[in-house]
Amino acid sequence: DAMVIQNPRYQVTQFGKPVTLSCSQTLNHNVMYWYQQKSSQAPKLLFHYYDKDFNNEADTPDNFQSRRPNTSFCFLDIRSPGLGDAAMYLCATSRDWNSQETQYFGPGTRLLVL
Amino acid sequence: AQSVTQLGSHVSVSEGALVLLRCNYSSSVPPYLFWYVQYPNQGLQLLLKYTSAATLVKGINGFEAEFKKSETSFHLTKPSAHMSDAAEYFCAVTTRGGTGGFKTIFGAGTRLFVKA
Repeated sequence: DAMVIQNPRYQVTQFGKPVTLSCSQTLNHNVMYWYQQKSSQAPKLLFHYYDKDFNNEADTPDNFQSRRPNTSFCFLDIRSPGLGDAAMYLCATSRDWNSQETQYFGPGTRLLVL
Repeated sequence: AQSVTQLGSHVSVSEGALVLLRCNYSSSVPPYLFWYVQYPNQGLQLLLKYTSAATLVKGINGFEAEFKKSETSFHLTKPSAHMSDAAEYFCAVTTRGGTGGFKTIFGAGTRLFVKA
């Protein structure tokens, strides 16, 4: 019954060691998003894909990259994690790219950087 | 630019009491407004949304919100709190992004505590 799946739920990495977080969806939605959420803060959009079109937020650090090999999967790559990148990373989807669309969120991956 | 302000980072109510979580928006065009709930260590889940149809919007789990243009508000209410309502609640507005599309701007969140 799961709709947006994120693996792993918890990820521990070392300072500077590349890490990849994954997201998959069974909703066949066109849009997939990655958000960063730090403790007691609102989710902050990093980027989104509309189908294969990648849209980066202006203030997303270059350290963060994303891949969407097909409709169902989307990956977040952090090339050289710093201590400040420790956060919950939320994947979300929406059927289309318009202002009325509901976003469906996965359970998140909590990243710890040692 | 559009934005939302949630008044009160923490709200505490007794079980059975009225829940009122406040959200004010700023928008130069008619907004679309959302309330999402986040339980501990989980993603966000849509409670309800306003898309310019009825101003009183009913959502899941007994929650509702009323869009008041004159007050630029979209407060979330529930007549009787349950212990299971304890969570973080986010108000959000959609805004046109730099690429010509739209993105969601979230408020800072309000954590709801429910006392037995």
